[in-house]
Amino acid sequence: DAGVTQSPTHLIKTRGQQVTLRCSPKSGHDTVSWYQQALGQGPQFIFQYYEEEERQRGNFPDRFSGHQFPNYSSELNVNALLLGDSALYLCASSPSVGEQYFGPGTRLTVT
Amino acid sequence: SQKIEQNSEALNIQEGKTATLTCNYTNYSPAYLQWYRQDPGRGPVFLLLIRENEKEKRKERLKVTFDTTLKQSLFHITASQPADSATYLCALDMRSNYQLIWGAGTKLIIKP
Repeated sequence: DAGVTQSPTHLIKTRGQQVTLRCSPKSGHDTVSWYQQALGQGPQFIFQYYEEEERQRGNFPDRFSGHQFPNYSSELNVNALLLGDSALYLCASSPSVGEQYFGPGTRLTVT
Repeated sequence: SQKIEQNSEALNIQEGKTATLTCNYTNYSPAYLQWYRQDPGRGPVFLLLIRENEKEKRKERLKVTFDTTLKQSLFHITASQPADSATYLCALDMRSNYQLIWGAGTKLIIKP
C-alpha cells in the first residue's frame, strides 16, 4: 500500500512565478491537508480538502489556492511567488479526522 | 494570545535513559493532542494521540500524558536509543475546525 506521495520533490522558481504542487493521499483516505513548514518551525496549516471542497483554511493569502479531485488527490497552487514562500510544503491525508499521514514534502525555493 | 511551546533547545540524553519532552499551550482548548516524529528533510510521522479526557496513553516505549488544567502534555521515551534521535512535534487537535496547531518541535539527541 503506497503512502502519501508528493511531486515534485524539489522546485526552484523565480519571484512572481506560479507553482503547482501535487499530492496523492494514502489509500482509503478522503481528506487532504496542506502545510507550509519553514526551517526550524512547525508546520503551518494552509487548508484542508474534503469531498472536493475546501473545508477549512488557515491564515494564508488568496495567492494560495487548491483543488481536490474525485480520486481524492489534490493540488496546491501558489501565485505571484515571494521569497518568503520558500519552504517545505507538506501534504497529509487522513480518514476524515484524526491522525495525519504525511508525504515526503516538496522543497520550494524562490529566488 | 494563543501560543504552543516546546523546548526550543536540543535535548541531549544518554542511551538507555528516559527522554521527556514538554508541550505547553495557552488560550487553546484542544479536544485531542497528537505527537509526531520528524527526521531531517522528511514529513512528520504520527506517533500517538491522546484525548482530553485521557490522562495517559502508552505505545511500546512511548508514553504521553495530557493535563488540561496545566495545559501541558509530556512525551516520554523510555530505554532511549540513538535511533530515537529526531525532532518531536506536538500538535493541538482542534477537532471543531479540523485544524492541527503545531509546536516548533524539540530536537532530541540520544548519545551512545
